[in-house]
Amino acid sequence: DVKVTQSSRYLVKRTGEKVFLECVQDMDHENMFWYRQDPGLGLRLIYFSYDVKMKEKGDIPEGYSVSREKKERFSLILESASTNQTSMYLCASNGQGYYGYTFGSGTRLTVV
Amino acid sequence: GENVEQHPSTLSVQEGDSAVIKCTYSDSASNYFPWYKQELGKGPQLIIDIRSNVGEKKDQRIAVTLNKTAKHFSLHITETQPEDSAVYFCAASSGGNDMRFGAGTRLTVKP
Repeated sequence: DVKVTQSSRYLVKRTGEKVFLECVQDMDHENMFWYRQDPGLGLRLIYFSYDVKMKEKGDIPEGYSVSREKKERFSLILESASTNQTSMYLCASNGQGYYGYTFGSGTRLTVV
Repeated sequence: GENVEQHPSTLSVQEGDSAVIKCTYSDSASNYFPWYKQELGKGPQLIIDIRSNVGEKKDQRIAVTLNKTAKHFSLHITETQPEDSAVYFCAASSGGNDMRFGAGTRLTVKP
């Protein structure tokens, strides 16, 4: 069964902390994505990567960075967490030539 | 860029009734329109998709219709069951890394 695995389901961090959200896929997919999900706003794209060490900004990249050192792993980094970054974060992946996404189960991050 | 609007935001139906969720998109270059179902505590899962060269697609109790001229597409669920209760998202993409999602519809099926 193909999988996208997010390392934490729930995370509580303090304002100003550096936060790492990890995502691993086992499908040898080229493309990986980070979204945040907020009520009434749907899924908004933060960053995506189409290859190792490659990254592109999505619609809301401010306050975030990403890292993709290996094909299977895509990390989202909050350099200095703020309360307005409290949200559900979803990682997804897809392969070249296939449009549908496979999502992870999400990480619910609370910044206090 | 692409903008996807989804209606209604909440929908409540009796078990056995039909449910319809509608979406509109803005970018005429979009040619792929998936629908995702998100159950509580889980990530969204692809349930059906349609490409722009097809007007309708059906898979058992779910169907999707696409009107390219009007730039809208809809999800139809017939004979709803309590396990259909979830949040549904529509999305649109031109096939690149540009998929944009609607705001979601919370469907409740009452037994």
